[in-house]
Amino acid sequence: QVKLLQSGAALVKPGASVKMSCKASGYTFTDYWVSWVKQSHGKSLEWIGEIYPNSGATNFNEKFKGKATLTVDKSTSTAYMELSRLTSEDSAIYYCTRDTSYYFDYWGQGVMVTVSS
Amino acid sequence: DVVLTQTLVAQPVRLGDQASISCRSSQSLVHSDGHTYLEWYLQKPGQSPQLLIYEVSNRFSGVPDRFSGSGSGSDFTLKISRVEPEDLGVYYCFEGTHDPFTFGSGTKLEIK
Repeated sequence: QVKLLQSGAALVKPGASVKMSCKASGYTFTDYWVSWVKQSHGKSLEWIGEIYPNSGATNFNEKFKGKATLTVDKSTSTAYMELSRLTSEDSAIYYCTRDTSYYFDYWGQGVMVTVSS
Repeated sequence: DVVLTQTLVAQPVRLGDQASISCRSSQSLVHSDGHTYLEWYLQKPGQSPQLLIYEVSNRFSGVPDRFSGSGSGSDFTLKISRVEPEDLGVYYCFEGTHDPFTFGSGTKLEIK
């Protein structure tokens, strides 16, 4: 069955960067986009961007350009997202999802990122 | 960007009753390919969102048939025919037609 296993929670200092992973299994990794979604505490969901593992092509929500960098390692079926120049506004849960191009059918368990000195 | 408007809290329902949740879009969600990419997700407490309905009215694999979606253009509804305890949570509509993809603000389903 399709599974997306994300890395563990992170506590990072303001101004630093954080890189999280999302390991896919149960399907052909290169056949689907991987999207990333942000959920700030108690709030709704925001689409950050997507990456197509086969080519490395990316699309971003303008709001997150310059903040998020998406990469993949096809050899391990793992997608990565790095967030840079972190502030308290970046404290949130981040989900990776399998993206059919138009919607997200499977989700990872989420990574909680806390930005604090 | 498209704005999807949902009521914050649904009318409280009794177990076994029908619940209805609405989602209104600021723009038509009909894609240039003719499909309407309006989806519904449920986020149960402490869990990741899960896909219930895709393309307005198609139930995702394993979703009980008490869930149904309808609507067109910019007005959409999710109905739960007989609410069960495991249906509690926040329901989000989502559109994958326009760039950037957007989610509604979520509707919390409460039991009377």
